[in-house]
Amino acid sequence: GQNIDQPTEMTATEGAIVQINCTYQTSGFNGLFWYQQHAGEAPTFLSYNVLDGLEEKGRFSSFLSRSKGYSYLLLKELQMKDSASYLCAVIDSNYQLIWGAGTKLIIKP
Amino acid sequence: GAVVSQHPSWVICKSGTSVKIECRSLDFQATTMFWYRQFPKQSLMLMATSNEGSKATYEQGVEKDKFLINHASLTLSTLTVTSAHPEDSSFYICSASAGEFYEQYFGPGTRLTVT
Repeated sequence: GQNIDQPTEMTATEGAIVQINCTYQTSGFNGLFWYQQHAGEAPTFLSYNVLDGLEEKGRFSSFLSRSKGYSYLLLKELQMKDSASYLCAVIDSNYQLIWGAGTKLIIKP
Repeated sequence: GAVVSQHPSWVICKSGTSVKIECRSLDFQATTMFWYRQFPKQSLMLMATSNEGSKATYEQGVEKDKFLINHASLTLSTLTVTSAHPEDSSFYICSASAGEFYEQYFGPGTRLTVT
């Protein structure tokens, strides 16, 4: 079966750095997304990785290792507004988007 | 750019009635639109994919006669929940793509409560 694993919840301190991991086992791979979703709102796009390596975009970076079926989202200089759920999603060989359950990130002052 | 709107943002209806949710791409032409459902504290669940002018493709387990999807134009798709029941209460989110599958832009969502 297809599976995406993320930690259910993480806690971090304002101003710090946090890494949210995502591992996947899917039938094929055509890319991986990270989305941010605040409570009661729709997801917003953060990043898309299809090649191995690190993609940096401001305070957020996303890393992919296809051989390991692994990705992480790195958030630097955490702000209170970063408290949200972070969803990892993978496009499989049939171009189906497989969603992880999301990681709820709690930022403490 | 790439703004997607949904209407209504929330709706309360009685059991047995039907509810229509609209999804519009405001500044681009959406060749493909996606409808998702999300229950509290759960991830997104894709319900169906629709391409303009053709029938929607429903995911396994989603009743096509209960969740009617119409993608009549390149900027509008509608989801009608027919004969709604309390278990249909959920957060319904649409997304739209202008071309590349991975470029999905999400609407703000519609919270449906069936009493």
